[in-house]
Amino acid sequence: QKEVEQDPGPLSVPEGAIVSLNCTYSNSAFQYFMWYRQYSRKGPELLMYTYSSGNKEDGRFTAQVDKSSKYISLFIRDSQPSDSATYLCAMRGTPIQGAQKLVFGQGTRLTINP
Amino acid sequence: EAGVTQFPSHSVIEKGQTVTLRCDPISGHDNLYWYRRVMGKEIKFLLHFVKESKQDESGMPNNRFLAERTGGTYSTLKVQPAELEDSGVYFCASSQELAGYTDTQYFGPGTRLTVL
Repeated sequence: QKEVEQDPGPLSVPEGAIVSLNCTYSNSAFQYFMWYRQYSRKGPELLMYTYSSGNKEDGRFTAQVDKSSKYISLFIRDSQPSDSATYLCAMRGTPIQGAQKLVFGQGTRLTINP
Repeated sequence: EAGVTQFPSHSVIEKGQTVTLRCDPISGHDNLYWYRRVMGKEIKFLLHFVKESKQDESGMPNNRFLAERTGGTYSTLKVQPAELEDSGVYFCASSQELAGYTDTQYFGPGTRLTVL
């Protein structure tokens, strides 16, 4: 079983829709949670970085963490064609645990149709 | 400020040959990481340098892979001899060390390796 599960999609929605992307994980040592966006032939670009359970908002993006359920989400409001990309969830433990390496989900390919 | 750079962007080699990938981290970043994504799979960790020292190499697949970080600056990842299953995209990332915790990892554009 993978440590991080993410539906690879593809996911296609109309412009302006609310998008929900999700990951589940099995390792309770994970304490830091990230969402990266990756455009074709580019490297992953950090979108959101959260530590605690709850919501974190940044513009049209909201990251949600539920540590009790081992479940994280990324919501995109008012989606735009420029949001079309692959979205990767990633997580890691604390440096004290010597776990600085990121563990990634498989990534969800998202297309926003004009 | 320049981001993480990687060279080459694409490399095509034959099975049994040697390839060396290079990564230049963001200036001042002590932490440097190598990751790999093979087709259809998730990005996976290979190893982590702190300055010139290997902190964690638990993800290195076998002894055909050799990573170095000269003087704590740029890093190279050599694959010798390359096998078909080594094909994939190799990403480098770097991060700062700040007041007892490790900052965000910033990724380079990757090197696409194709082994024929």
